[in-house]
Amino acid sequence: GAVVSQHPSRVICKSGTSVKIECRSLDFQATTMFWYRQFPKQSLMLMATSNEGSKATYEQGVEKDKFLINHASLTLSTLTVTSAHPEDSSFYICSAVQGARETQYFGPGTRLLVL
Amino acid sequence: GENVEQHPSTLSVQEGDSAVIKCTYSDSASNYFPWYKQELGKGPQLIIDIRSNVGEKKDQRIAVTLNKTAKHFSLHITETQPEDSAVYFCAARGFGNEKLTFGTGTRLTIIP
Repeated sequence: GAVVSQHPSRVICKSGTSVKIECRSLDFQATTMFWYRQFPKQSLMLMATSNEGSKATYEQGVEKDKFLINHASLTLSTLTVTSAHPEDSSFYICSAVQGARETQYFGPGTRLLVL
Repeated sequence: GENVEQHPSTLSVQEGDSAVIKCTYSDSASNYFPWYKQELGKGPQLIIDIRSNVGEKKDQRIAVTLNKTAKHFSLHITETQPEDSAVYFCAARGFGNEKLTFGTGTRLTIIP
C-alpha cells in the first residue's frame, strides 16, 4: 500500500508558540490531503481538506487562522498550529489520496503537547 | 450529511473465536466503505474496503459484508489472534465526495 509519513512524531512546546507538522506521500502523488484531530478514546475529527495549489477547505468550527494549512506540492502538506494553547494538545493525523475517489492512506500521527 | 453509527464500542473475544463489528450509515448515496485498524499511538491502517457494487469481500481472516437496502455493513474477523487487539473504525464516503465519515470506533480485545 501507499506510504504516508509525518514529522515530527511528537512535539512539546510552550503556550503561545507555533508548531509546524509535515505530511508527505512517499511513493505517490497526492491530489488531496486531509488533516484530522483525535482526542483520547475518540474518533477522528476532520479539520480540513487540502488540495495542491489551492486554499484548504476547513470544516465548520475549525479556525483557519489558527490552523494554517499549506499544500505546496503533490507530495507535501503542512499544518501549522499558531499561538498554541494547552487545549490544542491532541493527536494530529494526516491522510492522502491519489486521484478522485481513491483509497485514503493515513500517516502515523503527530502527538502535540502544549505546556 | 452522512452519519455513521458503530457498535459495539467495546468487544472482548477469546483467542480463536470470531469478532463482528457493525456499522450503519444514513446517506443512501454512499458507495465506499473502508475499515481501519488503529493501534495505540499510531495512525489508522486500512485493512479492507468494499464498494457498493459488491455485497461481500474477503481477505484471509477478514471479511466485510454490505447490505445496501438496510444501509449497514459489518466487519468479520475469524480465528482471532492477540495482535488483532486494537481500535477498529468503519467509514463511509458518498458519491462525488472526497471526505470520509467515521464511526465512533470499537475497541477489540482478544483474550489469550
